[in-house]
Amino acid sequence: GAGVSQSPSNKVTEKGKDVELRCDPISGHTALYWYRQSLGQGLEFLIYFQGNSAPDKSGLPSDRFSAERTGGSVSTLTIQRTQQEDSAVYLCASSLVGFDNQPQHFGDGTRLSIL
Amino acid sequence: GENVEQHPSTLSVQEGDSAVIKCTYSDSASNYFPWYKQELGKGPQLIIDIRSNVGEKKDQRIAVTLNKTAKHFSLHITETQPEDSAVYFCAASKSGSARQLTFGSGTQLTVLP
Repeated sequence: GAGVSQSPSNKVTEKGKDVELRCDPISGHTALYWYRQSLGQGLEFLIYFQGNSAPDKSGLPSDRFSAERTGGSVSTLTIQRTQQEDSAVYLCASSLVGFDNQPQHFGDGTRLSIL
Repeated sequence: GENVEQHPSTLSVQEGDSAVIKCTYSDSASNYFPWYKQELGKGPQLIIDIRSNVGEKKDQRIAVTLNKTAKHFSLHITETQPEDSAVYFCAASKSGSARQLTFGSGTQLTVLP
């Protein structure tokens, strides 16, 4: 079946511009996560959506970062007034939800480059 | 918060040999420990996971062990093949409202033919 889909796969933009990154989770997965992977680094949690609950935004690095999830499916991560340190791969993951943690399945990410 | 440390950062083995990657975690409430394989330009792919009520889990050439007392877990790959070459990440999370994964810094595994 279809996996997690992210678009665009690559984005190059100038410092100060706003960018929007899109994530289509696996059908039926009610949990959705955004992570950031800087060059040669591990993955850093950004934000978590679960059903209709308020999102967990505890990982967002600044108020320039925001995300929404419409209709419990597609999610958009927005970065306003981009800075060079925002350059990274932004990864989205989705999972089922149960009493125990469920495996998170990742997309291939959006590689963001800020000039 | 949770902190996950992973060693070694790079590992080279001969084809057919075994590879072992080790991780430690700090939060005793963590109860879910997945391992991911990431190839260049791709997202992380789940290869095996273990829950805190289990000490060991195997899937063909891959096994994971968990020591809750010492708060460490390890990935074992036997009979390594060139296609096993990739970056491997360990991670930890706990049940409840905050289910995000905390990742180790990754291990670049190279299997030499």
